[in-house]
Amino acid sequence: DAGVIQSPRHEVTEMGQEVTLRCKPISGHDYLFWYRQTMMRGLELLIYFNNNVPIDDSGMPEDRFSAKMPNASFSTLKIQPSEPRDSAVYFCASSLSDRAYNEQFFGPGTRLTVL
Amino acid sequence: DAKTTQPPSMDCAEGRAANLPCNHSTISGNEYVYWYRQIHSQGPQYIIHGLKNNETNEMASLIITEDRKSSTLILPHATLRDTAVYYCIVRVAYGSGNTGKLIFGQGTTLQVKP
Repeated sequence: DAGVIQSPRHEVTEMGQEVTLRCKPISGHDYLFWYRQTMMRGLELLIYFNNNVPIDDSGMPEDRFSAKMPNASFSTLKIQPSEPRDSAVYFCASSLSDRAYNEQFFGPGTRLTVL
Repeated sequence: DAKTTQPPSMDCAEGRAANLPCNHSTISGNEYVYWYRQIHSQGPQYIIHGLKNNETNEMASLIITEDRKSSTLILPHATLRDTAVYYCIVRVAYGSGNTGKLIFGQGTTLQVKP
């Protein structure tokens, strides 16, 4: 298995532009998570899905952020409009809930820079 | 979820055992202890988990005290590649009204030195 795939790996954009980050979870996994990591705030959970349904979006910073999971093999995180404070590394992770414990598999991340 | 406390940083000599402590004094009976690590510029990586008993896998050992209020992650023979931030997390199991959410704290930065 290729693991969790994220694209793009790096994104540089200007303030006000729309940014779309993409994630392909591990096949068969029923949970998908979006995290953001900055030096100041560490690793923060933004939103997660179970069977393509958003379960908890309490970590989404504001309405400029939105996430979708149209099918079991694809999810997007969109920022519109982007701001310099959105600069961070965004990670996607997936897991399988058929066991009692959590083993989340993380992707390589997307490094976003908003100028 | 129970809060965890870890030292911000530790050093270890290459080839020696690295012992990373974690306090979780408010842990509940149905909460697991998980350890993840994050090597620079990579996504976090699962290491090991445990409930009550000590656990060992190919990466590490996890020692949980009898009262479950603290644990220690042991890397038996640390290498330079083990330099990373190590996160201790406690969370209930799936199926316990839980949704699989993990909350990462600041972790311990382990520096393995030659």
